[in-house]
Amino acid sequence: QVQLVESGGGVVQPGRSLRLSCAASGFTFSSFGMHWVRQAPGKGLEWVALIWYDGSNKYYADSVKGRFTISRDNSKSTLYLQMNSLRAEDTAVYYCARAGVGGDDLDYWGQGTLVTVSS
Amino acid sequence: QSALTQPPSASGSPGQSVTISCTGTSSDIGGYNSVSWYQQHPGKAPKLMIYEVSKRPSGVPDRFSGSKSGYTASLTVSGLQAEDEADYYCYSYAGSDVYVFGTGTTVTVL
Repeated sequence: QVQLVESGGGVVQPGRSLRLSCAASGFTFSSFGMHWVRQAPGKGLEWVALIWYDGSNKYYADSVKGRFTISRDNSKSTLYLQMNSLRAEDTAVYYCARAGVGGDDLDYWGQGTLVTVSS
Repeated sequence: QSALTQPPSASGSPGQSVTISCTGTSSDIGGYNSVSWYQQHPGKAPKLMIYEVSKRPSGVPDRFSGSKSGYTASLTVSGLQAEDEADYYCYSYAGSDVYVFGTGTTVTVL
């Protein structure tokens, strides 16, 4: 069965960096686009970034553009999110999600990893 | 990339129907048939309920249905059950490989 397991969250000071990972299993990882989505405490969902199945194209929400980098290692079936220059408003649960067969939906999600940006 | 607009809350008694609206613009909902809906219970990851406006993934009850007219998409839950009490989010492609979620609606089963 499809499984997505995020890791790497924690408490980090403003201005510092953190890298999240998402280990995928149960499907051919290299055939699917992958997304990061976040949810601030008590708030709604926010789309963060997309990477195509082969890593050739990457897209970002305006709120993270220039600070976050999405990447993938298809040989390890792992998705990454490098987060630099972190701000308090980046505090959220970060989910990785697989692009669905429709192309523009998210059919499987991980359980999420909490990132807290605080001094 | 402004969030799509949803009502904050909706409610219905068991067995009744509830419809949630999701309003966007010509740049997102109005421009593409790429609206999906997600159910999220407290402390859990979201779950895909509807994709491509009105298609149901395998395993999602047929009590859930979706539609779209112009710049507004809708999710209808018929025959409400206690387990349908959750937050619901719409989601749309917004062009140039960017995406946007709705503001979210909390459904309460009375």
